[in-house]
Amino acid sequence: KQEVTQIPAALSVPEGENLVLNCSFTDSAIYNLQWFRQDPGKGLTSLLLIQSSQREQTSGRLNASLDKSSGRSTLYIAASQPGDSATYLCAVRRIETSGSRLTFGEGTQLTVNP
Amino acid sequence: DAGITQSPRHKVTETGTPVTLRCHQTENHRYMYWYRQDPGHGLRLIHYSYGVKDTDKGEVSDGYSVSRSKTEDFLLTLESATSSQTSVYFCAIRGDWYNEQFFGPGTRLTVL
Repeated sequence: KQEVTQIPAALSVPEGENLVLNCSFTDSAIYNLQWFRQDPGKGLTSLLLIQSSQREQTSGRLNASLDKSSGRSTLYIAASQPGDSATYLCAVRRIETSGSRLTFGEGTQLTVNP
Repeated sequence: DAGITQSPRHKVTETGTPVTLRCHQTENHRYMYWYRQDPGHGLRLIHYSYGVKDTDKGEVSDGYSVSRSKTEDFLLTLESATSSQTSVYFCAIRGDWYNEQFFGPGTRLTVL
């Protein structure tokens, strides 16, 4: 059974800081990994998707890396802003999973202080 | 937002009553999903659909049923709501580009 862990559960940083969010998974036989953002009381917004054959993906100030062999992914946020405050979730799809189902971590709640 | 809407957005009901939540998409995607989100558990898959009338169970399907009679609509039914089904319910679709999933705005359900 795939398990996904995100550490830390919460993180508070000053504005402008570069930061790294971590995601680890137990089964390295993955098809892809997806990072989401969730604002309070809202749905999930897809940020980045990394295929198993890729090492990283970039979108603006966000960079996600994937190391399948060690079962880890990181989300790097450059020059953080108060608007980045949200919960960040990672989700993994296993190779043999029917229906493209995802297994989610519980998320890291990020607060960026002005 | 991938054209996903959920209704109702908020609902309060009593134990033992049936409840149906609706997910509607406008982009003709084949795969649709229902998740629930709870503190300490994260998001967990309830049921999913891979086409009209084609559905399968997720990891927390007990007490829930689903139906999909049209491509655009995926219904989640709680046959007899219990307090343990108080949660936020999210619908999602699987996009055509690398199977990326996109989520609706959620339905907050409270069972008293």
